[in-house]
Amino acid sequence: DQQVKQNSPSLSVQEGRISILNCDYTNSMFDYFLWYKKYPAEGPTFLISISSIKDKNEDGRFTVFLNKSAKHLSLHIVPSQPGDSAVYFCAASRNNAGNMLTFGGGTRLMVKP
Amino acid sequence: NAGVMQNPRHLVRRRGQEARLRCSPMKGHSHVYWYRQLPEEGLKFMVYLQKENIIDESGMPKERFSAEFPKEGPSILRIQQVVRGDSAAYFCASSPDLVGEAFFGQGTRLTVV
Repeated sequence: DQQVKQNSPSLSVQEGRISILNCDYTNSMFDYFLWYKKYPAEGPTFLISISSIKDKNEDGRFTVFLNKSAKHLSLHIVPSQPGDSAVYFCAASRNNAGNMLTFGGGTRLMVKP
Repeated sequence: NAGVMQNPRHLVRRRGQEARLRCSPMKGHSHVYWYRQLPEEGLKFMVYLQKENIIDESGMPKERFSAEFPKEGPSILRIQQVVRGDSAAYFCASSPDLVGEAFFGQGTRLTVV
């Protein structure tokens, strides 16, 4: 039973354009959501998070949107840069805790120069 | 301030041997989490420990796997009598408290031959 799903295994965008990565969840008990970036042979690096009491959180080029009624969140990267090429994982937790996480399967983003 | 340190980075074991994976959390972090990433999948939560205590082991396989976080020294994930299906990347993360975001180590890649 996959509680967090990233339905697009890969995404390719042109440098300078917007990258939109999507994530769906099924467990209504989740109340805290995070995005991680992962390069090959490295551990995940925290990017941005959002609590369920908000619908948007912005940090520089990264914005996360949360639609609780649809159980859907998305990560927007604008403008996209070649260094953003990596695998992006969506993760969710309960009790507003950013540590015991349920991860999606990841989306591989490729930003072309 | 050193990050989360995992060793070894790569570990090869023959079927039936024991694997020991070590994790030193970030300085000042007393909460440790272990995750496993099978090939082409997302990370799966295994166990959450604080010093000398297992808090949540709901993601640990019932047999052959154990974890500890002693008063002194690193956290250890032990896999006894390894099988080919145990081949994966094992990531450790640490956080300063129950709600702080977790920081991940670079992982240990276990290969069972």
